[in-house]
Amino acid sequence: DQQVKQNSPSLSVQEGRISILNCDYTNSMFDYFLWYKKYPAEGPTFLISISSIKDKNEDGRFTVFLNKSAKHLSLHIVPSQPGDSAVYFCAATTSGTYKYIFGTGTRLKVLA
Amino acid sequence: GAGVSQSPSNKVTEKGKDVELRCDPISGHTALYWYRQSLGQGLEFLIYFQGNSAPDKSGLPSDRFSAERTGGSVSTLTIQRTQQEDSAVYLCASSPSVGAGGRDEQYFGPGTRLTVT
Repeated sequence: DQQVKQNSPSLSVQEGRISILNCDYTNSMFDYFLWYKKYPAEGPTFLISISSIKDKNEDGRFTVFLNKSAKHLSLHIVPSQPGDSAVYFCAATTSGTYKYIFGTGTRLKVLA
Repeated sequence: GAGVSQSPSNKVTEKGKDVELRCDPISGHTALYWYRQSLGQGLEFLIYFQGNSAPDKSGLPSDRFSAERTGGSVSTLTIQRTQQEDSAVYLCASSPSVGAGGRDEQYFGPGTRLTVT
């Protein structure tokens, strides 16, 4: 049972345009969500997070949107840069626990 | 400062052999996680250590897998009698604590790529 789903395994975007990565979850107990970025041969690095009490969190070029009713979150990167090319994982957890459930990742390729 | 380190970076072993994977967390981090990423899959939780508490081993896929954390720092993940389906990247992560309601971001090591032939 995949509680966190990233249905798009890959995405290609032109440099300067917006990249939108999507993530769906099924467990209504999740109340904290994170995005990680992973380059080849490296571990994932934390990018941005959002609590379920918010519907948007912004950090520079990165914005995460949360739609609780749809159990959907998305990561927007604008403008996209070639250095953003990586695999992006979304993760979810329930506050007070320590288990993070990760999606399968979306490989983003930003074309110069 | 130094991040999470893992060794070896790559390990090729024959089916049936035992392997040990090592993780050095960031100094002072009390929480340590092991994950496994098989080809085309997400990160699968394996085990969690927090301070001196008993670890949560609920994610370990079989009794061939075990892990320990000595002195609240270095951790070793051991896989006995390896099988081909154990081939994956094994990732270790640490975080400062399970404070803030368990919302600490995790700092990942580069992983150990295990190939069982």
